[in-house]
Amino acid sequence: QKEVEQDPGPLSVPEGAIVSLNCTYSNSAFQYFMWYRQYSRKGPELLMYTYSSGNKEDGRFTAQVDKSSKYISLFIRDSQPSDSATYLCAMSESNFGNEKLTFGTGTRLTIIP
Amino acid sequence: EAQVTQNPRYLITVTGKKLTVTCSQNMNHEYMSWYRQDPGLGLRQIYYSMNVEVTDKGDVPEGYKVSRKEKRNFPLILESPSPNQTSLYFCASSTQPRQGNGYTFGSGTRLTVV
Repeated sequence: QKEVEQDPGPLSVPEGAIVSLNCTYSNSAFQYFMWYRQYSRKGPELLMYTYSSGNKEDGRFTAQVDKSSKYISLFIRDSQPSDSATYLCAMSESNFGNEKLTFGTGTRLTIIP
Repeated sequence: EAQVTQNPRYLITVTGKKLTVTCSQNMNHEYMSWYRQDPGLGLRQIYYSMNVEVTDKGDVPEGYKVSRKEKRNFPLILESPSPNQTSLYFCASSTQPRQGNGYTFGSGTRLTVV
């Protein structure tokens, strides 16, 4: 079983819809949770960061972490065609040393104009 | 512009022919890492470096070498490439990526070993 599970999609929604992306994980030591966005033929770029449980909002994006359920979500409101990309969840433990991120496999999202 | 630069972007090589993928960052980041991205497996860490002359293995280090002689450069070396190393490779750098700064990724190197 993978440490981080993410539905690969693909997911297609009409412009303006609310998008929900999710990951589950099995490692209870994960403390730092991130969402990266990856456009075709590009490297991933950091979108959202959350430490421990809770919500974080940044413009049209909201990240949620529920450590009791080992479940994280990313919501995109008023989705735009420019949001079409692959979204990767990533997590890290709190131990000092290797700053390794464990990634989900990514969900490919297409926003239809 | 702050960036991580990888070269080459695309590479086709034959089994056993040594190759080096270069990575350079201009942000004075201490931490650098190499990942490979494969369908269905996601991004997996190959090697990382916490600073100059400090490197260590990640999850999938077999068949790879790295060096960190200067802070800005972190080359990935495949001494004897094999077809199972065909993949998309990303170099990344950060200052404390877990503290919310995240990684800055390069644009990737698509390697094909035939």
